[in-house]
Amino acid sequence: DSGVTQTPKHLITATGQRVTLRCSPRSGDLSVYWYQQSLDQGLQFLIQYYNGEERAKGNILERFSAQQFPDLHSELNLSSLELGDSALYFCASSVGGFGELFFGEGSRLTVL
Amino acid sequence: DQQVKQNSPSLSVQEGRISILNCDYTNSMFDYFLWYKKYPAEGPTFLISISSIKDKNEDGRFTVFLNKSAKHLSLHIVPSQPGDSAVYFCAATPPGYGNKLVFGAGTILRVKS
Repeated sequence: DSGVTQTPKHLITATGQRVTLRCSPRSGDLSVYWYQQSLDQGLQFLIQYYNGEERAKGNILERFSAQQFPDLHSELNLSSLELGDSALYFCASSVGGFGELFFGEGSRLTVL
Repeated sequence: DQQVKQNSPSLSVQEGRISILNCDYTNSMFDYFLWYKKYPAEGPTFLISISSIKDKNEDGRFTVFLNKSAKHLSLHIVPSQPGDSAVYFCAATPPGYGNKLVFGAGTILRVKS
């Protein structure tokens, strides 16, 4: 158990819909990261937050947005969903802005 | 643009023998390299790392070698155990602000008993 909690674990929805994935970091960790893993692909970095502020951005689509709240949990919002958005979405956390990442178990999104 | 490549999708090794997982990268500015292990239905877990200023780092049965001139790193597991069966991801940190790891596609390791 990494201490990072992600909900929901599984989500099935239709094209055009919007979903929200939630992440609670390890206690004391200030940084939260979101990664996307599509079929047979490596993890693709989406975005990093540090203590509520956006720290780094990857190839995150404009249809996707994220935020980190004062209690340090984070949400990833995916809108106007397309079939290609079907993937495992991982959240990770770290104590500071660098260093070892601790990953949650992921949220599997299926878009039909 | 795959900056980190793991060209072997899978590897099968006999228990007790050495497992060698390989990783190539294209960005010479990467300054830190990491290996993560992932079991089914779990998130990746950190295994071992190496700074770009070193060429070897060892932690128990796990050793990572870095060859900067070849832009290649490898993970050696000796001796391999059935519990090592998992997906292994190579990752690298580009310089600059933030901690955005670039991951390879992963190699499935099967250790046969």
